[in-house]
Parts: sequence; C-alpha cells; structure tokens
Amino acid sequence: QVQLQESGPGQVKPSETLSLTCPVSGGSISGYWWSWLRQPAGKGLEWIGRIYTSGNSVYNPSLRSRVTMSVDTSKNQISLKVNSVTAADTAVYYCARETGRLSNSRWHLWFDPWGRGTLVTVSS
Amino acid sequence: DIQLTQSPSSLSASIGDRVTITCRASQNIINFLNWYQQKPGKAPKLLIYDASTLQSGVPSRFSGTGSGADFSLTITSLQLEDFATYYCQQSYSNSLYTFGQGTKLEIK
Repeated sequence: QVQLQESGPGQVKPSETLSLTCPVSGGSISGYWWSWLRQPAGKGLEWIGRIYTSGNSVYNPSLRSRVTMSVDTSKNQISLKVNSVTAADTAVYYCARETGRLSNSRWHLWFDPWGRGTLVTVSS
Repeated sequence: DIQLTQSPSSLSASIGDRVTITCRASQNIINFLNWYQQKPGKAPKLLIYDASTLQSGVPSRFSGTGSGADFSLTITSLQLEDFATYYCQQSYSNSLYTFGQGTKLEIK
C-alpha cells in the first residue's frame, strides 16, 4: 500500500522559502504524476502543481513565479519549494499521487492516495 | 480556468436521509470529474472518479452521476460517518486542476 508523508518546517518567516518533502513508501514514484495541494484553515483545496518522475512539471499560474517542484528517484520522494512566502501561504500542504486510466487517448486522473498533510505557518 | 460551483455550500440532514450535492462546471468537462470526502483534520479521500465510478472500498450508498457540465453526488441512507465536507474536482484541464468550494454536510 503506497503511503505518503509530507515533512518540513512547521513555521517559515515572511519573505523566506517554504520547503517540503514527500517521501513515498510502499511503491515506486516512477511512472506517475505527483501533485502538491494546499488548504488554508477553514477554506477549500487549492492545487499548486504537478511533477512527473521525468522531472516535467506544471504549476498553477497563480503560484508559478514562486514555486519549484523536484523529484528524487534515488530517495523515492518529491519536493516543493515556495519562495517569498507571505501569511497567505499559511496552509496545510498535501502531496498526492495522480492515479488514473487511459480512455479515448486521454488520461483520466484523480488524486489517490494523499499524504496526511502538514501545517505550514508563515509568521515572524 | 474551469470553475466548479457546488451547491449547496452547506446541508443539514438526519441519519437515514438521502442527500444530493451538485457540481456545475463552467464548461463541458465530459466526465473528468472526481468527488472527495474530507473529515476535520484529515486528508481528502477519493470517493468517485470519472463522474460515476465508485472507488474501491467506498460504500455503495455513495453514487455519482452526470456528464458535460452538470454532476451530482448522492448519498442514500446517511450514516454517522458520512457527515463531512465534500469536494468535486475536475481533471479535464491537467494544466490547472480545480476544485469546487466544498459542501459541508452536518447532522440536523
């Protein structure tokens, strides 16, 4: 059973860089797209971006200028960096695997499984 | 961006009730629509993918219908463990996934 667990500092100072990792156990990260998502307290889910194990990545335009994702196949993990953070970046951050099926030459994808999430607070 | 609008935003119901949550997309997304359940302090859990396919292990009282731009999630015979927040999510645009704003299902 594939399991994900986000890890990283729980607090980051404004203007600094938020860095999280998501080691994957129970299966290889190879051959999948992996996404990062976040959820401010009491609010809905926001997709941050996705990365394939080849390193190809796609970011949400609203965050693209500040986000970098990476893959480390030797450690079987993915990583997220968000720079120049503000209080608006305070949220629970999740990593998730994109699972899906090919139908009519298109991939239908959904998020499963998810990590447990980690709260990152931006505060001085 | 593909906008997803869920209704209602909140819903009160009793154990044993049947409830339906709707999700409307701002354009045709065929059946690239997934549903998740989230309980407080927990990660979202996949319930239904491709608009109507029940994820393995999810009780059969959950069902999804729809195609194009209009979708719905129905829970028949509500159980205590079903009180949670539900989100729809589109994967039609894999360069910008989006979610509905959520529907909070509370006990009446």
